[in-house]
Amino acid sequence: DGGITQSPKYLFRKEGQNVTLSCEQNLNHDAMYWYRQDPGQGLRLIYYSQIVNDFQKGDIAEGYSVSREKKESFPLTVTSAQKNPTAFYLCASTPSGGNNYGYTFGSGTRLTVV
Amino acid sequence: KQEVTQIPAALSVPEGENLVLNCSFTDSAIYNLQWFRQDPGKGLTSLLLIQSSQREQTSGRLNASLDKSSGRSTLYIAASQPGDSATYLCAVDLRRDDKIIFGKGTRLHILP
Repeated sequence: DGGITQSPKYLFRKEGQNVTLSCEQNLNHDAMYWYRQDPGQGLRLIYYSQIVNDFQKGDIAEGYSVSREKKESFPLTVTSAQKNPTAFYLCASTPSGGNNYGYTFGSGTRLTVV
Repeated sequence: KQEVTQIPAALSVPEGENLVLNCSFTDSAIYNLQWFRQDPGKGLTSLLLIQSSQREQTSGRLNASLDKSSGRSTLYIAASQPGDSATYLCAVDLRRDDKIIFGKGTRLHILP
């Protein structure tokens, strides 16, 4: 079955450590997105990519980095510059911008600073 | 700037009742609107997608309507069941910027 796989499901980060969240899709979608979800704040866009080797900052990109070397993969690195990284992270994809197929989401990664 | 609002933030109803969840948006120039369901600690599951040219979409006990001129969408759930308990989010797709804007969701609790 086609879908989006996020790993790991739970991740613990020590102070000053960089961690990378994985997002893989086998839907052949061009566009991929990373969102952060905090209680009471809804979903906020971190980064998105419309095509391989290209990506744009979202609303809260500071302290995060991404790469898009392959169409099916869009990993997110939470760097030590992100001062409050504890949150639920969601990856999404869609065939391309301006379509009517909607968005598909992964099951999320919960990141906790210890 | 497009803003998406969902009211109420939380709702509890007895099992078997029909209910309506509301979503409003400030800019009517949308491409489509999508309703999602999120269970605690889980990702988002797409329920219904309404294109800007459509008035409603139906899937089983769910019916979503769209009124672009008034900036409103509703999600109607018929004969509610305890398994419907979840957070429901609406998201507006803007043709520009290739991004979607989410509401903060309505947390629904169906009482057995």
